[in-house]
Amino acid sequence: QSALTQPRSVSGSPGQSVTISCTGTSSDVGGYNYVSWYQQHPGKVPKLMIYDVTKRPSGVPDRFSGSKSGNTASLTISGLQTEDEADYYCCSYAGSYTFYVFGTGTEVTVL
Amino acid sequence: QLQLQESGPGLVKPSETLSLTCTVSGGSISSMSYYWGWIRQPPGKGLEWIASIYYSGSTYYNPSLKSRVTMSVDTSKNHFSLKLSSVTAADTAVYYCVRLYVASSIRLGDYWGQGTLVTVSS
Repeated sequence: QSALTQPRSVSGSPGQSVTISCTGTSSDVGGYNYVSWYQQHPGKVPKLMIYDVTKRPSGVPDRFSGSKSGNTASLTISGLQTEDEADYYCCSYAGSYTFYVFGTGTEVTVL
Repeated sequence: QLQLQESGPGLVKPSETLSLTCTVSGGSISSMSYYWGWIRQPPGKGLEWIASIYYSGSTYYNPSLKSRVTMSVDTSKNHFSLKLSSVTAADTAVYYCVRLYVASSIRLGDYWGQGTLVTVSS
């Protein structure tokens, strides 16, 4: 099972919106509505930001939103803030053999 | 507040077995719909799901690691464990223990341990 494909980096100015894509296959992203997104600051523990494609855990700002179309999921950060600068990983459930597959990771830079 | 804490050797020799334990506090490991798992991250690289376990002992392994991985749970001690055999330098990583909620929804990693760096070296 290959890792899900994410852009290596995206960037934006404070206040702008950025979108990170996460491309898989019909066996993972496209087959289930179980995509999650994680934020990881350097040297820190990953934090769950989105689950079930669109849902936000308690405490996650509504600037973070998720969506999915076909085999590609996306994370959008609206109103970009300096503290959003971090690495972001997607993850998808991939069935009862593979279970969970992560994305390659995207570095978000706030210009 | 639920807390997870990894423990185990930080250095393992090649070909030997890596053993880690995750102790759960502030909640019961036997809670329904909650699984417990391990995720690792090699230095400077991405995340990889290793395995998950339910309090009943049902286990789920990453197919790429399945031949070398064993997870177990001890509900009396409220902890779960990971063993990874025949390790090589490629197994050097920060190992995180996590909680997963699996029901009509899947929340992988709503709680994480702080992570423990395991280095494979002679």
